[in-house]
Amino acid sequence: DIQMTQSPSSLSASIGDRVTITCQASQDINTYLNWYQQKSGKAPKLLVYGASNLKTGVPSRFSGSGAGTHFTLTINSLQPEDIATYYCQQYDTLPPTFGQGTRLEIK
Amino acid sequence: QVQLQESGPGLVKPSQTLSLTCTVSGGSINSDDYYWNWIRQSPGKGLEWIGYIFYTGSSYDNSSLKSRVTISVDTSKNQFSLKVNSVTAADTAVYYCARSGIAGTTTPAFDIWGPGTVVTVSS
Repeated sequence: DIQMTQSPSSLSASIGDRVTITCQASQDINTYLNWYQQKSGKAPKLLVYGASNLKTGVPSRFSGSGAGTHFTLTINSLQPEDIATYYCQQYDTLPPTFGQGTRLEIK
Repeated sequence: QVQLQESGPGLVKPSQTLSLTCTVSGGSINSDDYYWNWIRQSPGKGLEWIGYIFYTGSSYDNSSLKSRVTISVDTSKNQFSLKVNSVTAADTAVYYCARSGIAGTTTPAFDIWGPGTVVTVSS
């Protein structure tokens, strides 16, 4: 199975900060990478698909980039409602696999 | 819009079979554009994809569950189901059903999720 490794595991930032989360794949996955946001007690929600395509309705302060094995999710101007855990997920090869998550907290 | 809802027992005894159903509302499960998935989340293993089914009945499951999984579909009820046999404490998790698009036709991601249901394996 393809291993997905996120860093950092947790992150503390201030409102208005720019936040970057990275995801590394154990092998080349082209741009077959999605990002999800999960708030406490809720199901994950899709933010970005195909590495850089923002799902309709997701605020434009979120963006994704990368290809191959290295990917990033960036939040420009962090807002209080962005407090959540973020997951990457590859769909290059079955089974689809997720990163271990990055917990984002407000400083 | 399409919504998913999981249902089933919240407590299962060790060695027995876990059974869950996902009801699809607001749209038809009979679609050439989507797979219907089961995903679980536990503190120890994070998010783990269990498997998917197509409306025709074609399915694929994660070999990590060592052939303990059966996924089925009932198009007349707009539902799909999960069975995991010979459960142990390691199967304790929040179980989600989710829709995923087929690459090349729709969004190739888990774009709609049910709220999740907690299943505990304990005697």
